Amino acid sequence: NAGVTQTPKFQVLKTGQSMTLQCAQDMNHNSMYWYRQDPGMGLRLIYYSASEGTTDKGEVPNGYNVSRLNKREFSLRLESAAPSQTSVYFCASSEITGGLRETQYFGPGTRLLVL
Amino acid sequence: TQLLEQSPQFLSIQEGENLTVYCNSSSVFSSLQWYRQEPGEGPVLLVTVVTGGEVKKLKRLTFQFGDARKDSSLHITAAQPGDTGLYLCAGAKYKLSFGAGTTVTVRA
Repeated sequence: NAGVTQTPKFQVLKTGQSMTLQCAQDMNHNSMYWYRQDPGMGLRLIYYSASEGTTDKGEVPNGYNVSRLNKREFSLRLESAAPSQTSVYFCASSEITGGLRETQYFGPGTRLLVL
Repeated sequence: TQLLEQSPQFLSIQEGENLTVYCNSSSVFSSLQWYRQEPGEGPVLLVTVVTGGEVKKLKRLTFQFGDARKDSSLHITAAQPGDTGLYLCAGAKYKLSFGAGTTVTVRA
């Protein structure tokens, strides 16, 4: 039972390059999330998927796209990377979005550097 | 603008001392959570508080939810080096909103 897994762990990109961050969960959760974490800013929600087949924008969606491939997998794509997207990216999952006792389970993160 | 403000931003104390971390907002939340994050890892849930005025204890950690459900505190008694980490509060209001975190360092 791996929980939430993310690939890759580290990535260096040049400005303008594209890449996809992969996330998978094995807890049969309905909801999945992508956050970025920057020093002094906490976790900011990029996109989320409350259930298979739906995706919604979070607080900082510009420059990103997502795909909920199936119930297990939720990917984040950077079409044209910019230095401002240098960050640590976390994927998370939970049984449902907005539940009173919603617990989000986080992956180990992807550290992205855009030069 | 953060919905949840955490203070202090950094806290460094000696092993055996007590500490308190605060999480404040002008918004009312249906519940409030505390997570701990260790370097190189994702956050892990410590506790969820739901009722205004609720106090929960987890060994040496005490969590309190404000009466108006707008703020919370985390108190650690007799801190140990293993308590070192980033402590994040998160308020539930349709979705979770996270504070910026308090980095706690406990020196041996």
